[in-house]
Amino acid sequence: AQTVTQSQPEMSVQEAETVTLSCTYDTSENNYYLFWYKQPPSRQMILVIRQEAYKQQNATENRFSVNFQKAAKSFSLKISDSQLGDTAMYFCALPRGGADGLTFGKGTHLIIQP
Amino acid sequence: DSGVTQTPKHLITATGQRVTLRCSPRSGDLSVYWYQQSLDQGLQFLIHYYNGEERAKGNILERFSAQQFPDLHSELNLSSLELGDSALYFCASSAGERQGSYGYTFGSGTRLTVV
Repeated sequence: AQTVTQSQPEMSVQEAETVTLSCTYDTSENNYYLFWYKQPPSRQMILVIRQEAYKQQNATENRFSVNFQKAAKSFSLKISDSQLGDTAMYFCALPRGGADGLTFGKGTHLIIQP
Repeated sequence: DSGVTQTPKHLITATGQRVTLRCSPRSGDLSVYWYQQSLDQGLQFLIHYYNGEERAKGNILERFSAQQFPDLHSELNLSSLELGDSALYFCASSAGERQGSYGYTFGSGTRLTVV
């Protein structure tokens, strides 16, 4: 069974700093995708970035990038030049396989301080 | 607006009651997924429907059921409600049968409070 572990329940950084959120996972699949979702206080789940496991190049979306290490089963999210609007819960997610849904980590509550 | 519509946004009901949560997927999406988000269990996959047919079940209780109608909207029925069923229920949609490389588009959720 797939597992997703986020070991940082909460993090706090100053505005404009860079922060890295950790995620490790376990899967028996060979080809898969990994996702980071953001849940701000509005509760809306928003897809931040995705990574294809068979691609060695790390995904980047503006200020958000990942450090994907397939052998180590590690998928961390780096937020550069953090902004107040980045304050949210961040969830790492992995497909359960087949037509099943996603397995989510417990989340990291990121607080950006002014 | 994500394009996925969930109603109602908030629901308060008593133990033992039955409620129905509704979800309209984004235009063109055939798959609907239901998730439960609670403080102790986190985000858990409940069930997946594709084009009207059940495709996968996750940690869904027998007191819970769902269906997807010909117009592709979906309903999640929760019966014999218990205090522990209080949670945020999300619906998400995707175009294909499998969420593939694009993940889902989530609705804004229904906050269920059982008193």
